[in-house]
Amino acid sequence: GDSVTQMEGPVTLSEEAFLTINCTYTATGYPSLFWYVQYPGEGLQLLLKATKADDKGSNKGFEATYRKETTSFHLEKGSVQVSDSAVYFCALKLLRGGSEKLVFGKGTKLTVNP
Amino acid sequence: DTAVSQTPKYLVTQMGNDKSIKCEQNLGHDTMYWYKQDSKKFLKIMFSYNNKELIINETVPNRFSPKSPDKAHLNLHINSLELGDSAVYFCASSRGGVDIQYFGAGTRLSVL
Repeated sequence: GDSVTQMEGPVTLSEEAFLTINCTYTATGYPSLFWYVQYPGEGLQLLLKATKADDKGSNKGFEATYRKETTSFHLEKGSVQVSDSAVYFCALKLLRGGSEKLVFGKGTKLTVNP
Repeated sequence: DTAVSQTPKYLVTQMGNDKSIKCEQNLGHDTMYWYKQDSKKFLKIMFSYNNKELIINETVPNRFSPKSPDKAHLNLHINSLELGDSAVYFCASSRGGVDIQYFGAGTRLSVL
């Protein structure tokens, strides 16, 4: 079935390091793709999205490019900050039986040390 | 003001009990959701409501009964709690589609 696979965490980086969190998907067609972020003690919030192949979503210095050839939507940031410490969830949008829903990956916990 | 608020934040209870989790959103959204995040961190949709009508019910045991008294509230009642119900439950809301959802901070349910 339709699913999202994220790299296993946790990921620990030093401040200003380069970040990549891998995400691949399995789906029929070309679903919209998302990255959500959950900061400590808070609910998830949308970080960025892409709706079609080759689209690049970006926000707060984070970027992800929709690659249909590799069915991937990897999250990247050139220089992470301590404030980026959070859990990151990759997701895709499904349409089933006339209803839409988001299917999330397991989440990848990122810790950035000063 | 918190946009999506859930209460309680933590819930510890015995097997067999009945409990409720409340959710309220002050964003004026028309769609609300309940998700379950299990111990392996998978976040899965349980229910969605649009304008107080049930839209999605994802093969959830009928011990779980959502109730939406109005567009701003979606409560989750769980009967006869089981050990496997231990998880973090998230409420969320959106307007006009599922893309941009606003989540509450979660309710950690522990069934002993």
